[in-house]
Parts: sequence; structure tokens; C-alpha cells
Amino acid sequence: GDSVTQMEGPVTLSEEAFLTINCTYTATGYPSLFWYVQYPGEGLQLLLKATKADDKGSNKGFEATYRKETTSFHLEKGSVQVSDSAVYFCALRSGGSNYKLTFGKGTLLTVNP
Amino acid sequence: GAGVSQSPRYKVAKRGQDVALRCDPISGHVSLFWYQQALGQGPEFLTYFQNEAQLDKSGLPSDRFFAERPEGSVSTLKIQRTQQEDSAVYLCASTLGGGQGIFRSYNEQFFGPGTRLTVL
Repeated sequence: GDSVTQMEGPVTLSEEAFLTINCTYTATGYPSLFWYVQYPGEGLQLLLKATKADDKGSNKGFEATYRKETTSFHLEKGSVQVSDSAVYFCALRSGGSNYKLTFGKGTLLTVNP
Repeated sequence: GAGVSQSPRYKVAKRGQDVALRCDPISGHVSLFWYQQALGQGPEFLTYFQNEAQLDKSGLPSDRFFAERPEGSVSTLKIQRTQQEDSAVYLCASTLGGGQGIFRSYNEQFFGPGTRLTVL
């Protein structure tokens, strides 16, 4: 079945540091890939998405590129801010079940000033 | 406009009690999803409605779990005879469209804040 494996946390960085959170997946067909973010006390929010191989999703300075050859969708940001502190979830929606989202376990990011 | 709302935000139940969790989707949203998020885990799919029709309930963990959306708007997730392993955050999400169709533009799922259920 479909699965998502993402980097174990927690991740602690200083402000302006470079961020990478790794995400790999297993899926049937050609999945769409997503990163969701959950700020403290709030619901999950879509951060970015990519729907086909080599697509790059980007939002708020975050980027992730859909790599079919390595089945990966790593999240990156060049310079993190304290306000980026949150839990980040990698997720997929596969062609076999094209409405359910399958999530990774989440990675807690803490950015210190 | 208002987002997805869920109530109660926190629920403590004694083992064996029945609970009902409510989800108010964004007005006009056709599809509604329930997910279960155990501590330290990602959300896991429970069930999916398109309007009032429950099209997929394959993720419901047992027959103690029941969901309904009788008028195609508000949904209730009911758990009978709660067990300790039911302790989790229950998330509701809604989408504007039918939620299906790989060639359609993605129907973004908008999530509510969740209901944290603790079973003692």
C-alpha cells in the first residue's frame, strides 16, 4: 500500500539557517505530493504541492521538487525564521485512491532566535 | 470566511462511554473527510463523504466507529464503548469539489483544528 517516510525529528535550528526535511514515498501509479504544516494550536494547512514528476512546489520561501527516480519530495528553505516553528507533514494522494491523503509521521521544527 | 470548525476541542471519556464528535465544514463544501491522528503519528484516513453519501469507510478501525452527514453539511463521528486505544486527535477536512478525479485540479482539503479525545 501507499506510505510516506519522513525525517525523524525534532529538528532545531537557529534563525537564518538552511532547512531540509527529507521525505520519500511508496505509491501505486503517479501520486500527487504535498507538504502540510501545523502551527501550534492550529489545524493542518497546505504549504505546497506538486502533481507530476519534476514539478517544483513553492510557497513562503519553502520549496520541494517531485523526484520520481528517487521517489522523494524533500522540503527546503534557505533561511528559516522563528515563525516557521511548527510540525511539517509530507503527504501523498495516489491515483489508486485519489482523494485520501496518506501522511508521514511529521517532523517538529523549532527555530531559535 | 469561516474555516472548518470542530467541537468539542477536547473530550475526556471513561472507558466504555459513547462519544460524539462534530464537524462543521466550510459552507458549500461538497466533500468531507475524517482522519485519526495518534500521538506522534501522522493523520490516518477514516472515512469520506460526498454530500450525504458515505463513499468510503474503509479506514474506520472497528464497528464501534460510525460517521454520518445526514444533510450533506455537518458531520458527526460517533465512537461507541470507547477504549483507551481510541485516544487520539480526530481531524475533519472539507473540499469544495467532489474530491476525486486525478485529472481535475486538486481539491485542497481544508482541515479543522481537531478534537483531542482522551479515554481513561
